Amino acid sequence: AQSVTQPDIHITVSEGASLELRCNYSYGATPYLFWYVQSPGQGLQLLLKYFSGDTLVQGIKGFEAEFKRSQSSFNLRKPSVHWSDAAEYFCAVASYNNNDMRFGAGTRLTVKP
Amino acid sequence: DAGVIQSPRHEVTEMGQEVTLRCKPISGHNSLFWYRQTMMRGLELLIYFNNNVPIDDSGMPEDRFSAKMPNASFSTLKIQPSEPRDSAVYFCASGGREVAYEQYFGPGTRLTVT
Repeated sequence: AQSVTQPDIHITVSEGASLELRCNYSYGATPYLFWYVQSPGQGLQLLLKYFSGDTLVQGIKGFEAEFKRSQSSFNLRKPSVHWSDAAEYFCAVASYNNNDMRFGAGTRLTVKP
Repeated sequence: DAGVIQSPRHEVTEMGQEVTLRCKPISGHNSLFWYRQTMMRGLELLIYFNNNVPIDDSGMPEDRFSAKMPNASFSTLKIQPSEPRDSAVYFCASGGREVAYEQYFGPGTRLTVT
């Protein structure tokens, strides 16, 4: 079964600094990969997804992620963080054959002024 | 599009009472998922439906939990009897027409069992 590891529980960055959130997955075939963001008291919102093709995918709010098969990673990046980006970020993996999606434990992002 | 609608948004009940959470998926979506989120266990998939049929309920914690999807526009998650350890935020999500590669989440129901 697929699984996801987000090694960083909590990250703090200064506003305007660059950001990278790590995600490693375990799955035997080509995975479908996602990043979601959850603001306090809200549901999860899809930031971006990777199914196939170009390994660098662009998402909403200026985020991007790069799929690296050799490293089993799908790290999320943003060149310049805004205070409104403070939230919890979840990486998720799904398989082609079923609708089952597995989420990582999440990384909480704090943005310093 | 109104998105996924969940009700109630907050529920406080006493141990032993029956709790019913409701979800209206996005029109046209054919997959529906129920999740539970707690600090200790994170986001857990409880059950999901495809074309109104339960596909995998292995995440349902106990027989006290049951879920139904009588039609394409409505689903319920019921807990009977409820216990304090059921306190959590319960999310419903719906997925696209083909395989549910993209899931759209509702705002959640915060359940507190005292």
